[in-house]
Amino acid sequence: EVQLVESGGGLVKPGGSLRLSCAASGFTFSSYSMNWVRQAPGKGLEWVSSISSSSSYIYYADSVKGRFTISRDNAKNSLYLQMNSLRAEDTAVYYCAGVVPAAMGDWFDPWGQGTLVTVSS
Amino acid sequence: AIRMTQSPSSLSASTGDRVTITCRASQGISSYLAWYQQKPGKAPKLLIYAASTLQSGVPSRFSGSGSGTDFTLTISCLQSEDFATYYCQQYYSYPPTFGPGTKVDIK
Repeated sequence: EVQLVESGGGLVKPGGSLRLSCAASGFTFSSYSMNWVRQAPGKGLEWVSSISSSSSYIYYADSVKGRFTISRDNAKNSLYLQMNSLRAEDTAVYYCAGVVPAAMGDWFDPWGQGTLVTVSS
Repeated sequence: AIRMTQSPSSLSASTGDRVTITCRASQGISSYLAWYQQKPGKAPKLLIYAASTLQSGVPSRFSGSGSGTDFTLTISCLQSEDFATYYCQQYYSYPPTFGPGTKVDIK
């Protein structure tokens, strides 16, 4: 069964840091480019960051550039998001999502169940 | 960034109804468009990619059409499990961007 399981969310104060993890199973993780997508409470979906299968290409949304770092460990079938200098507006459910290898574009499938990050004093 | 809009923002419908949701891109995106369904407390689920290609396992009552700037998602005969929020997403250029969503609820 294809599965993505996020962890590492929680309550953090403004200016603090948090590291999210996403564990993959049931598919060849090393062949997929991977993404983080977030959803603020009651709001829509916002793409955050992507990383290619070999980590050669990395992209960030302007809203997180310079504060967040995406990485992966293909040997551990894991994706990470290091979040620094967190702000209240970073409060959201964070989903990891994959892109099928050789797909003619970046549509997202599969998705994890999400992990909630709350930035509040 | 390419801006995506959707209409309506919400709609009320009954089971058995035909439902159409529109998505518009701020510039041409060819057919680089996906549709997702999201239920409360759950992750989004891919329904359609390349504007009209049905993802494996998705019921055939879902269909997508359009190219360029204007796209539609149609549910031909609404079922109880289809009450959800639907998002379009362009992947023509970075950053990938989503529409604001269309909530389909029970009339």
